[in-house]
Amino acid sequence: GAVVSQHPSWVICKSGTSVKIECRSLDFQATTMFWYRQFPKQSLMLMATSNEGSKATYEQGVEKDKFLINHASLTLSTLTVTSAHPEDSSFYICSARPSPGGTDTQYFGPGTRLTVL
Amino acid sequence: QKEVEQDPGPLSVPEGAIVSLNCTYSNSAFQYFMWYRQYSRKGPELLMYTYSSGNKEDGRFTAQVDKSSKYISLFIRDSQPSDSATYLCAMGGGYQKVTFGIGTKLQVIP
Repeated sequence: GAVVSQHPSWVICKSGTSVKIECRSLDFQATTMFWYRQFPKQSLMLMATSNEGSKATYEQGVEKDKFLINHASLTLSTLTVTSAHPEDSSFYICSARPSPGGTDTQYFGPGTRLTVL
Repeated sequence: QKEVEQDPGPLSVPEGAIVSLNCTYSNSAFQYFMWYRQYSRKGPELLMYTYSSGNKEDGRFTAQVDKSSKYISLFIRDSQPSDSATYLCAMGGGYQKVTFGIGTKLQVIP
């Protein structure tokens, strides 16, 4: 149980294009999903917290107009990197917290490796 | 000072050894403590979740929490080459967002 999928697993795009990444909780409902970036040899950096039916909460320094988050249902959140540039190349990982809550346990997706040329 | 400190390693051990991985933290508000395993180019996988001080065992894995010292550990008994991965500690609770350590890279040599 507690499986989270991400699609695509990797993507290569040209500078200036937009890329959408999907995060799905397959066997549980998740009121809250999280989006992280991870650079090589660095820890997970929380970008934003996505709540179903409401606006995402972004961490300091993360541009909400560049990283658009939509949490349309209890099992799906999407992250769109708009006008991507090479510096956006990274490993993007989502996680989902089962609802109802009560703990901070998060289940992670397999990640999406984005390369912007 | 970082909220969570974790030695990035790498840590190399022979197969069958007992592995000890540790994290220290500074925020006394943390209530939940987790260990994740992350293979290269994959998302983290939850290994252990603990709430209170003390030990929790699951197969070859034992998680230990000492809130008075703000110190948590993960022990792996009879380590296997398949245990080679990066191990991330994480903690949260109350109104604190989950904070991750940088991860310790472990290599178990056959």
